[in-house]
Amino acid sequence: AQSVAQPEDQVNVAEGNPLTVKCTYSVSGNPYLFWYVQYPNRGLQFLLKYITGDNLVKGSYGFEAEFNKSQTSFHLKKPSALVSDSALYFCAVRDADKLIFGTGTRLQVFP
Amino acid sequence: SQTIHQWPATLVQPVGSPLSLECTVEGTSNPNLYWYRQAAGRGLQLLFYSVGIGQISSEVPQNLSASRPQDRQFILSSKKLLLSDSGFYLCAWSGVAGSVHEQYFGPGTRLTVT
Repeated sequence: AQSVAQPEDQVNVAEGNPLTVKCTYSVSGNPYLFWYVQYPNRGLQFLLKYITGDNLVKGSYGFEAEFNKSQTSFHLKKPSALVSDSALYFCAVRDADKLIFGTGTRLQVFP
Repeated sequence: SQTIHQWPATLVQPVGSPLSLECTVEGTSNPNLYWYRQAAGRGLQLLFYSVGIGQISSEVPQNLSASRPQDRQFILSSKKLLLSDSGFYLCAWSGVAGSVHEQYFGPGTRLTVT
């Protein structure tokens, strides 16, 4: 069965510093991977996806993610964090017509 | 462009009362539709999904049911609510079956069962 794991419940980073939110996956076959962000009391917003091709995927709001097949990881990154990036982040993997979501990582960016 | 609507935005219902949450999508046809529940602002639990009118797949046996009476309408129901049904309910849509499309989420419904 397809699955993803987000090993950190919370990530704290100072504004202006680079940020990384970790995700590892376990799949049979080719992985189709996604990142979403959720602000309080809102629906999830799609950030980016990896289907095939370049291992570095660029997405919305300056975020990018690096697909690493040997480490089965798909970490979300941003070179310079903003306070407004503080939110809940979800990694997901495609499983047929569904997405399997991780448990979420809360990102807190301090001024 | 496509938009997804959910209503109501918030709902407070007593235990034992019925429930009906509605989700509609505009600007696309034959979407896949999904209902999720999120408890305590954390993980997402997939409740139901549908790849076509009248086709419903249930992921977790529970007190809820779903229906898709029209192509772009997805309804979540319950005959008798339990306290454990409280949570944040999210509807989502994606492209047609077999393609690798991301899901797009609605604004959600906050349900409190008292």
